[in-house]
Amino acid sequence: EPEVTQTPSHQVTQMGQEVILRCVPISNHLYFYWYRQILGQKVEFLVSFYNNEISEKSEIFDDQFSVERPDGSNFTLKIRSTKLEDSAMYFCASTDPRGNGDEQYFGPGTRLTVT
Amino acid sequence: KQEVTQIPAALSVPEGENLVLNCSFTDSAIYNLQWFRQDPGKGLTSLLLIQSSQREQTSGRLNASLDKSSGRSTLYIAASQPGDSATYLCAVNPGGYQKVTFGIGTKLQVIP
Repeated sequence: EPEVTQTPSHQVTQMGQEVILRCVPISNHLYFYWYRQILGQKVEFLVSFYNNEISEKSEIFDDQFSVERPDGSNFTLKIRSTKLEDSAMYFCASTDPRGNGDEQYFGPGTRLTVT
Repeated sequence: KQEVTQIPAALSVPEGENLVLNCSFTDSAIYNLQWFRQDPGKGLTSLLLIQSSQREQTSGRLNASLDKSSGRSTLYIAASQPGDSATYLCAVNPGGYQKVTFGIGTKLQVIP
């Protein structure tokens, strides 16, 4: 069964460094999402992306964050200058363009640790 | 703005007991509701997805119900096992490719 994949599974970085989290959505999906979960807190929405544009973003998604679909398979989240509070699990999701956004399929997550 | 609440926050039961986890949401204009399982430090495992037109969905020992008009869903786990110990998350999808809203989860511990 097709699935969303994410790399790396765990990333450790120093404060102020740039990180890129990578996702490979399910191949025929066209809508993509990033969510994050700070330890002990809710999974919260960051951004949605369709047709090479941001569809919606939360107030968390400030100008330190960016998303890109650099090729036909990858979807990336970049954090330009990481802060301690960016430490979280980041989940990528994608949705089949058929139907009405019926189900978002989530990847296994990337644990980001900022030291 | 959609708000999703899960009660209780934590639950500890002896093995073999049947249990119910609760989820409530403020905006009844949903397309579907999904229950996930999350083990400590791990990702999200989808358990059940229930469409807004459905009342129930079953998978093995799990049964999810949905009362859209009252903004409630329950996850029933029959004959609980220690391997069921995890955090269970409820997530509401409004459809139209919009964001999914999650509850904070119920942390379940099943004691052998």
